[in-house]
Amino acid sequence: EAGVVQSPRYKIIEKKQPVAFWCNPISGHNTLYWYLQNLGQGPELLIRYENEEAVDDSQLPKDRFSAERLKGVDSTLKIQPAELGDSAVYLCASSFGTVNNEQFFGPGTRLTVL
Amino acid sequence: AQTVTQSQPEMSVQEAETVTLSCTYDTSESDYYLFWYKQPPSRQMILVIRQEAYKQQNATENRFSVNFQKAAKSFSLKISDSQLGDAAMYFCAYRRYFSGGSNYKLTFGKGTLLTVNP
Repeated sequence: EAGVVQSPRYKIIEKKQPVAFWCNPISGHNTLYWYLQNLGQGPELLIRYENEEAVDDSQLPKDRFSAERLKGVDSTLKIQPAELGDSAVYLCASSFGTVNNEQFFGPGTRLTVL
Repeated sequence: AQTVTQSQPEMSVQEAETVTLSCTYDTSESDYYLFWYKQPPSRQMILVIRQEAYKQQNATENRFSVNFQKAAKSFSLKISDSQLGDAAMYFCAYRRYFSGGSNYKLTFGKGTLLTVNP
């Protein structure tokens, strides 16, 4: 069974440029999470989807960050424009349902903003 | 708000020995989940072990076991017979028990970097 797929694995951009990250969850997983992991820190939730609905986006900085999961399967997280402080690892996770179910994580995208 | 504290930024252990990683948390809830995740250099977070707060029995998964002290809000991970492949960043995490809204959010500590020496 394929795990959570993320691309790209690495991205280097200059500040003020836009950037997008893609995530394909495990087949059949209806819940998808985007986490931000700063260097030396644990991950922090940005947004959670149940199917195509964003049910928790309280931690997403909406002035520059956006996300979509149009068909309730794969998802894209976008930053526009990127700032130096956005350099971090962006992790995607998925689960089947939420209450009792393990979140499976992808390998993440390491973003460097110059 | 819930917080998770890992007071050991780095730990090291000799291969085949036992090591214990510490974690404390703060919550006003009585029902919740606690987790230990492993993050190797590949960055992929892997669930090591899970504990439900309503269970008094400590969780065990092969060489991994926890010491869950609910009153003290302590949740330590013991790794027995350490192997080179255990070297990684270990994160302690908390999640509320109830459904809905932000309750499914995992709150992570800052992690402990474990080195295994041959």
